[in-house]
Amino acid sequence: QVQLVQSGPEVRKPGASVKISCKASGYSFTSFAMHWVRQAPGQRLEWMGYINAGNGDTKYSQRFQDRVSITRDTSAGTVHMEVSSLRSEDTAIYFCARNNGYYYGAPADYWGQGTLVTVSS
Amino acid sequence: SYVLTQSPSVSVAPGQTATITCGGDNIGRKSVHWYQQKPGQAPVLVIYYHSDRPSGIPERFSGSNSANTATLTITRVEAGDEADYYCHVWDTTTDHVVFGGGTKLTVL
Repeated sequence: QVQLVQSGPEVRKPGASVKISCKASGYSFTSFAMHWVRQAPGQRLEWMGYINAGNGDTKYSQRFQDRVSITRDTSAGTVHMEVSSLRSEDTAIYFCARNNGYYYGAPADYWGQGTLVTVSS
Repeated sequence: SYVLTQSPSVSVAPGQTATITCGGDNIGRKSVHWYQQKPGQAPVLVIYYHSDRPSGIPERFSGSNSANTATLTITRVEAGDEADYYCHVWDTTTDHVVFGGGTKLTVL
């Protein structure tokens, strides 16, 4: 069955960077794309970006495009997201979510369990 | 940027019908998906492409989309349906995924 398993919780100081991972299994990794979505405490879901796991093409939210980098390792079936210049407002749970195919308008049909990133001095 | 507007909360008694709306400019022309999120859990897809249900989602969940409003309807509401519900579209103008603000469904 499809599984997305994310890396564990992280604590960083303001100004630092964090790299979190999402390991996929149970399907053909390169036949789908992957989103990253975050959720601050008590807040809405917020889209950060997307990677086509087949060819590595990425799209980023304008809000984050200067601070976020999404990559994939096809041999490991893993997608990574690095967020730089962290600030306290970046404290949130970060989810990876599989896009059902490559079409940008497709649903996110499977989600990882989430990774809590805490930014605190 | 494209905005999706959801009512913050909806309350219904068990056995009744819950209607959750998602407003957006000409949303009827977009593909709309809906997610259920319970406290401390990841979202779960409950409706995709306006009205399709993934396997395992009860027939009590249905969706529609027209003009400026997409709607998620849950009939014969149960206590286990209590959750936050989010709508999702892809905005072709900005090439961004957009989520609504979420609606908290309370089962009285």
